[in-house]
Amino acid sequence: SQTIHQWPATLVQPVGSPLSLECTVEGTSNPNLYWYRQAAGRGLQLLFYSVGIGQISSEVPQNLSASRPQDRQFILSSKKLLLSDSGFYLCAWSVQVDEQFFGPGTRLTVL
Amino acid sequence: AQKVTQAQTEISVVEKEDVTLDCVYETRDTTYYLFWYKQPPSGELVFLIRRNSFDEQNEISGRYSWNFQKSTSSFNFTITASQVVDSAVYFCALSENNYGQNFVFGPGTRLSVLP
Repeated sequence: SQTIHQWPATLVQPVGSPLSLECTVEGTSNPNLYWYRQAAGRGLQLLFYSVGIGQISSEVPQNLSASRPQDRQFILSSKKLLLSDSGFYLCAWSVQVDEQFFGPGTRLTVL
Repeated sequence: AQKVTQAQTEISVVEKEDVTLDCVYETRDTTYYLFWYKQPPSGELVFLIRRNSFDEQNEISGRYSWNFQKSTSSFNFTITASQVVDSAVYFCALSENNYGQNFVFGPGTRLSVLP
């Protein structure tokens, strides 16, 4: 069966510090991968999606970036965090237009 | 461009009441997929159902049922005999016939079931 992992589960970082969130999927090959952000009490905002290794599409211009170094690994990064980057970050995978399956999320607080 | 509207921001019901969560969508495609997800307080989104645009049959799964009506572009979700464990934020989502990058979520409805 497929599983998706995200770490860390929670993170508190100062403004201006770098960020690296990791997401890995097991039990499937060549999935579509997604990064979403959910601000407190808000809906889901798609940040990046990837249909293959090294293929990243950005939905919203910001100081975040994503990379897919391996088929089932998706990394969200920032060189310098802003206060507005605080939120709940969710990674998801899917096969084409099938339903997306979500990881447990990372709660990021930027102080 | 596609869009999903969930007009109900928050709903509160008392346990054992029935509750319907509304979802209205917009799309230009004739082939599309609709989804419902549940987000409990833990934060992880739980997939509930997928429906494709060619299947308008209503679906029932235990206390959950879904009413898909293309004529009104709606995909409503009903919980019968609600329970406290149903308290969560529920998201409706739409995906058009591509490789998933146009997977759009509605803003969500926060359901509180009171004992």
